Amino acid sequence: DTGVSQDPRHKITKRGQNVTFRCDPISEHNRLYWYRQTLGQGPEFLTYFQNEAQLEKSRLLSDRFSAERPKGSFSTLEIQRTEQGDSAMYLCASSHTSVFRSYNEQFFGPGTRLTVL
Amino acid sequence: EDQVTQSPEALRLQEGESSSLNCSYTVSGLRGLFWYRQDPGKGPEFLFTLYSAGEEKEKERLKATLTKKESFLHITAPKPEDSATYLCAVRPLGGATNKLIFGTGTLLAVQP
Repeated sequence: DTGVSQDPRHKITKRGQNVTFRCDPISEHNRLYWYRQTLGQGPEFLTYFQNEAQLEKSRLLSDRFSAERPKGSFSTLEIQRTEQGDSAMYLCASSHTSVFRSYNEQFFGPGTRLTVL
Repeated sequence: EDQVTQSPEALRLQEGESSSLNCSYTVSGLRGLFWYRQDPGKGPEFLFTLYSAGEEKEKERLKATLTKKESFLHITAPKPEDSATYLCAVRPLGGATNKLIFGTGTLLAVQP
């Protein structure tokens, strides 16, 4: 399967603990995005990378959140000192930059479901 | 502020009963409008991209259309396997942003 993969698929943690999620994009895609989705809502943008550079961050991304893409391939999203309000589905997507607009679609992974107790 | 509104929130159809889902948007400029399908507990699955008013795209029983203020997803003779949440998203033109702004989705249930 050459789609976007995410690990773990589910994570249950206690309030105050740190968690880290991993995303592996489609291999030829140079852009990688993180979104958060809560029940009954659409995905909300958190941040995106072009290669290893983090080019945009949402104001939703508090100081407790940090994302990296060290070699321009996989990415990690870390949440420090988790709070119950962090419970959500964390989605990763990837796309390929091109002057041809047909390549601007973002393809999503299966998501990581985080539950903070 | 850029905004996407989808209606209805939920729709129940009988198998074979055609209908349309609506996505209205307010953006400073549009670099693309996207439709996704999302099954419970899974990530969104890409369906269509539309770029300019008057554009149409089709895939099996689905057809997406675009005007200057809204998009429609037409479902012709739906089957139970079409049951899912359908999400609409826009990519604003302003600045260097590449983010998608999503609506809250329409939950479609097709009964046999």
